Amino acid sequence: DVKVTQSSRYLVKRTGEKVFLECVQDMDHENMFWYRQDPGLGLRLIYFSYDVKMKEKGDIPEGYSVSREKKERFSLILESASTNQTSMYLCASSFGGRDEQYFGPGTRLTVT
Amino acid sequence: GENVEQHPSTLSVQEGDSAVIKCTYSDSASNYFPWYKQELGKRPQLIIDIRSNVGEKKDQRIAVTLNKTAKHFSLHITETQPEDSAVYFCAASSSGYALNFGKGTSLLVTP
Repeated sequence: DVKVTQSSRYLVKRTGEKVFLECVQDMDHENMFWYRQDPGLGLRLIYFSYDVKMKEKGDIPEGYSVSREKKERFSLILESASTNQTSMYLCASSFGGRDEQYFGPGTRLTVT
Repeated sequence: GENVEQHPSTLSVQEGDSAVIKCTYSDSASNYFPWYKQELGKRPQLIIDIRSNVGEKKDQRIAVTLNKTAKHFSLHITETQPEDSAVYFCAASSSGYALNFGKGTSLLVTP
């Protein structure tokens, strides 16, 4: 059974803080993804990674960076958090590009 | 890049009726079309997917159809039940890695 975990379910940060969101998968998946989910906007891809140390920008990478030093772990970094980054952040992983994506439980981030 | 439009944004049906959700995509190179279901407070989960070499796929009460010429695909749920109430997302993949999701359809099945 695939398990994707995220470091926090809820997080409250102040404007300007550096924020780290971590995602770990236990199925040796090649691909990992970070999305943000906002009401009425669906799931928007921030960044994805298809291999260790590899990363690709998604549709909304501005204000974010990522790190994948180990295959099982994919981190999302908000260099200087802003209020418009208040959102639900979902991590996902998949074996191949056209395979099922398994999602984590999400982190609800509030930036005040 | 790929653009996926999904309609309707909300859908209310009576238990036992059918529900249809439609999506269109822009990139003719797209060849993988999954559908995800997200129940309230839970993570999205894949319910069915279709690849571009087939026109229809069924799994019990759910089916997906694909029209590559018109660049649209649809999710059909028959004999709806209250537990089908959720947000449904369509997606398309042209890059081979990333999915482009529609904005979601909130389906409510009333008893």
